[in-house]
Amino acid sequence: GAVVSQHPSRVICKSGTSVKIECRSLDFQATTMFWYRQFPKQSLMLMATSNEGSKATYEQGVEKDKFLINHASLTLSTLTVTSAHPEDSSFYICSARDPTGGESSPLHFGNGTRLTVT
Amino acid sequence: DQQVKQNSPSLSVQEGRISILNCDYTNSMFDYFLWYKKYPAEGPTFLISISSIKDKNEDGRFTVFLNKSAKHLSLHIVPSQPGDSAVYFCAALFGNEKLTFGTGTRLTIIP
Repeated sequence: GAVVSQHPSRVICKSGTSVKIECRSLDFQATTMFWYRQFPKQSLMLMATSNEGSKATYEQGVEKDKFLINHASLTLSTLTVTSAHPEDSSFYICSARDPTGGESSPLHFGNGTRLTVT
Repeated sequence: DQQVKQNSPSLSVQEGRISILNCDYTNSMFDYFLWYKKYPAEGPTFLISISSIKDKNEDGRFTVFLNKSAKHLSLHIVPSQPGDSAVYFCAALFGNEKLTFGTGTRLTIIP
């Protein structure tokens, strides 16, 4: 079945540094990928929609200059958390939908990245 | 504004019994609903879905029921197994727009 791979699974960085998270679709090409964030005991919140070959679409309240998204190919989207601060510590998850599965095909998720900013 | 709500943050069920997870939504435009299962430190895994034109969908031990008039859906797992212990998210979709997730219910199956 469709697989979405996310890397790294866990990262610890110092405040002020930048961290890049990769999301790859392994079995299909995805013109659109989605980036979610989950705080402890809270729901998955959509941060942005990553569009191949064009600018990402950010949800209200998400700083586009802080969370840089690049969708350079049909199988890779990256999320860079710039100048990370402790409040950015969270669980980040990417997802994509296999377009060959039709409009209602489910989103497939990566395994997530646990970011800890010290 | 939480458009998809899971009012029970946790649920414990004896192994072999039925687990019932509930989800309510407010947006009547949602036309497709999904359930995801999530283990700690992993991404959600798709479990089962239902279109708004149906009221029931069954897949093995998992059945999803949809009551459009009540804007309510539920996931039934029977018989419950220890491996079912996880956090379950319901999610709703309007057209091909973004998924809206509920807050999740932690299911614990007691051996």
